[in-house]
Amino acid sequence: KAGVTQTPRYLIKTRGQQVTLSCSPISGHRSVSWYQQTPGQGLQFLFEYFSETQRNKGNFPGRFSGRQFSNSRSEMNVSTLELGDSALYLCASKLAGQETQYFGPGTRLLVL
Amino acid sequence: KNEVEQSPQNLTAQEGEFITINCSYSVGISALHWLQQHPGGGIVSLFMLSSGKKKHGRLIATINIQEKHSSLHITASHPRDSAVYICAVNPSGGGADGLTFGKGTHLIIQP
Repeated sequence: KAGVTQTPRYLIKTRGQQVTLSCSPISGHRSVSWYQQTPGQGLQFLFEYFSETQRNKGNFPGRFSGRQFSNSRSEMNVSTLELGDSALYLCASKLAGQETQYFGPGTRLLVL
Repeated sequence: KNEVEQSPQNLTAQEGEFITINCSYSVGISALHWLQQHPGGGIVSLFMLSSGKKKHGRLIATINIQEKHSSLHITASHPRDSAVYICAVNPSGGGADGLTFGKGTHLIIQP
């Protein structure tokens, strides 16, 4: 099976712009979670989607949003980018009822 | 105080040494994960534990639910084990906010 894929891998944006990141889970995995990783805060949970519904949400402002499509692919959007949004954004998928998550390679976002 | 604390933050050892990385958590959990992150960012899930001990090759993970503590051991360490090892927990109670992570342990194994 193909692993979790994320696009794009690298992205440079300027403050105030918006960005959309994409995640394709492993085939058959209906749960997709998004994480932000920064040198200062480490890994932090953003949100989890299951069957097109947001199931959990971390402590991030409303500028961070996401959605999941019927084929389980997920997107996350960050509006009005700030310098502090520069980070590695990781998504992970898992089978329903399982705890083990499979991570994608991440999208490295740089906000200038 | 972080809900998940790891020690040490940094560890440099010689090839062949026995390595121990510790993780303590302060919340009730349904599961604890050990993750490995190599330079470049990719994360691999090594173990998922809810009790006892698991072994995979040279890696051993243990958890003590009563003491809220887990350890990751690497036997006969090798330079390719150099990576960041991250402990993460699934808080229990349903509707949890996804995984909560420790800050990671930077491990360098010198030849």
